[in-house]
Amino acid sequence: SQQGEEDPQALSIQEGENATMNCSYKTSINNLQWYRQNSGRGLVHLILIRSNEREKHSGRLRVTLDTSKKSSSLLITASRAADTASYFCATDESNDYKLSFGAGTTVTVRA
Amino acid sequence: GAVVSQHPSRVICKSGTSVKIECRSLDFQATTMFWYRQFPKKSLMLMATSNEGSKATYEQGVEKDKFLINHASLTLSTLTVTSAHPEDSSFYICSAIKGGLDTQYFGPGTRLTVL
Repeated sequence: SQQGEEDPQALSIQEGENATMNCSYKTSINNLQWYRQNSGRGLVHLILIRSNEREKHSGRLRVTLDTSKKSSSLLITASRAADTASYFCATDESNDYKLSFGAGTTVTVRA
Repeated sequence: GAVVSQHPSRVICKSGTSVKIECRSLDFQATTMFWYRQFPKKSLMLMATSNEGSKATYEQGVEKDKFLINHASLTLSTLTVTSAHPEDSSFYICSAIKGGLDTQYFGPGTRLTVL
């Protein structure tokens, strides 16, 4: 089932700008993961953040998690044209590795 | 590395025929693989969990006789869409768990078009 809601649905920014997208979910989770999907391709894992963590960084990516608000955000700093893709959050609710995906945010980075 | 492949990448078939999609973990053993379905501009919907050596576990609403899953080895799971119809046209993606880690590694997907 789909539990995450992502906001915004679409985002268009200029190269060099930051992109922020949010994910909200309904039930308690063990971890939340962010994935990227280029058009018509598979998913690439970006970051996993556990329920007891509040913030994580990986290169130009920064993820926050607020379990009290059941929400997470993904920040891409200094965006590049190659960052153009759809970004999905996914939650693992019961530690059985099953993921529930959000609807995704489509990011377009203009050169 | 953790590479997952799918074959074929694209298939077009006639209504009523069956189509087999393979998912392979190339450089690791995967006791658990997952099959997802994705409609255009939509999110991924989990169809089933494929466990090596045992029956697949299907999500609610997914017909197990329609979508046959076989996990014959630690590196291969297959999804067979039986008696395919145009409404089965979709993007099918598999993923695999590596060594008990939380991260799922996704295959590149298979685009199925049923005429």
